[in-house]
Amino acid sequence: DAGVTQSPTHLIKTRGQQVTLRCSPKSGHDTVSWYQQALGQGPQFIFQYYEEEERQRGNFPDRFSGHQFPNYSSELNVNALLLGDSALYLCASSHRNLGSYEQYFGPGTRLTVT
Amino acid sequence: ELKVEQNPLFLSMQEGKNYTIYCNYSTTSDRLYWYRQDPGKSLESLFVLLSNGAVKQEGRLMASLDTKARLSTLHITAAVHDLSATYFCAVGPDTGTASKLTFGTGTRLQVTL
Repeated sequence: DAGVTQSPTHLIKTRGQQVTLRCSPKSGHDTVSWYQQALGQGPQFIFQYYEEEERQRGNFPDRFSGHQFPNYSSELNVNALLLGDSALYLCASSHRNLGSYEQYFGPGTRLTVT
Repeated sequence: ELKVEQNPLFLSMQEGKNYTIYCNYSTTSDRLYWYRQDPGKSLESLFVLLSNGAVKQEGRLMASLDTKARLSTLHITAAVHDLSATYFCAVGPDTGTASKLTFGTGTRLQVTL
């Protein structure tokens, strides 16, 4: 049973560029949440997707956008990158109606903006 | 706005000793999560506490939840070096299914020989 997978593992971008990160949820899960974890901090919620729509959003600017596909996989897009966007981006998957409330995290994508 | 505070932020303890990490949160919630994170790695789920008075134990770690006090504790018994990691608590919403988690700042645990 494959767990949550994310790609790429590491990424280096320049200020002003755009980036796309990808996440495949755990088998049987239909909900994907994205978190940003700056160095030395706890993860911060970016947004959550269910049924291909953004359902909840944290305090992140519109430069952060996402998408969920019919197979439940998801993308996180960040436009006009800033140095402060350098962080570990974590994807978490869950099942909306399973009732276990568990969220399983992927290995993360380390984004460095120079 | 929900705030989640952990203390201590850093804990250095000797092998064999006991210690407790505290997690306080600012609004009502019945859902408290504990995660472990090793350097450069993702989050590993340790416990999910879903009701007042819930207690869960796994090996040398035991977590409890007091929703009235808005407090969760993670107790470490007879620490071993392998427990060295950063521990995060996170609070979920009071209603609905798995959803937005608000994390504390983490407690970096270092177990020395």
